Amino acid sequence: GQSLEQPSEVTAVEGAIVQINCTYQTSGFYGLSWYQQHDGGAPTFLSYNALDGLEETGRFSSFLSRSDSYGYLLLQELQMKDSASYFCADSGSARQLTFGSGTQLTVLP
Amino acid sequence: DAGVIQSPRHEVTEMGQEVTLRCKPISGHDYLFWYRQTMMRGLELLIYFNNNVPIDDSGMPEDRFSAKMPNASFSTLKIQPSEPRDSAVYFCASSLDRTGYNEQFFGPGTRLTVL
Repeated sequence: GQSLEQPSEVTAVEGAIVQINCTYQTSGFYGLSWYQQHDGGAPTFLSYNALDGLEETGRFSSFLSRSDSYGYLLLQELQMKDSASYFCADSGSARQLTFGSGTQLTVLP
Repeated sequence: DAGVIQSPRHEVTEMGQEVTLRCKPISGHDYLFWYRQTMMRGLELLIYFNNNVPIDDSGMPEDRFSAKMPNASFSTLKIQPSEPRDSAVYFCASSLDRTGYNEQFFGPGTRLTVL
């Protein structure tokens, strides 16, 4: 089976940096994805790590360590609009995703 | 491109009725996924297709659920008969097969309420 663990809630202030961790236990791991979902909206893709290391996309970065079965999403220069749920997801052999339970990020003024 | 299109956006029905959810993937994408999201169970993969062929339907809750993809631009998810516990947001997503990369594009979802 596959399972992913991430914190249920994180709170930070505008302008701060926040890290959302994700640990996974899967068979046939191919890569770790991150998705953002605003209330009432659809999940939107943020990043995908197939290899160990850091991927940077603007204010967001994602990290993967296969040996530790661990990854994180780093959000810098937080803005109010970053308040949302963030999901890590692992990819199976045929692109299917298994999602974690999500982390609700609240950004305070 | 308009993105993934789902209809209806909202559906309210009574227990026992048949419900059909529709999805049009992004043109050229060769994978299509159906997910269900609830507070209790989170985002769950129900079934996915590759080049219109169902690959894995192990996430389909029971025989009341069925999905089809008659061509590359259309898929349906049917629930018959519907039950209150089927109330959820159903998302369709599509993706392109690219080595070393996996980005899924989600539709806006169908919010289903079964009374």
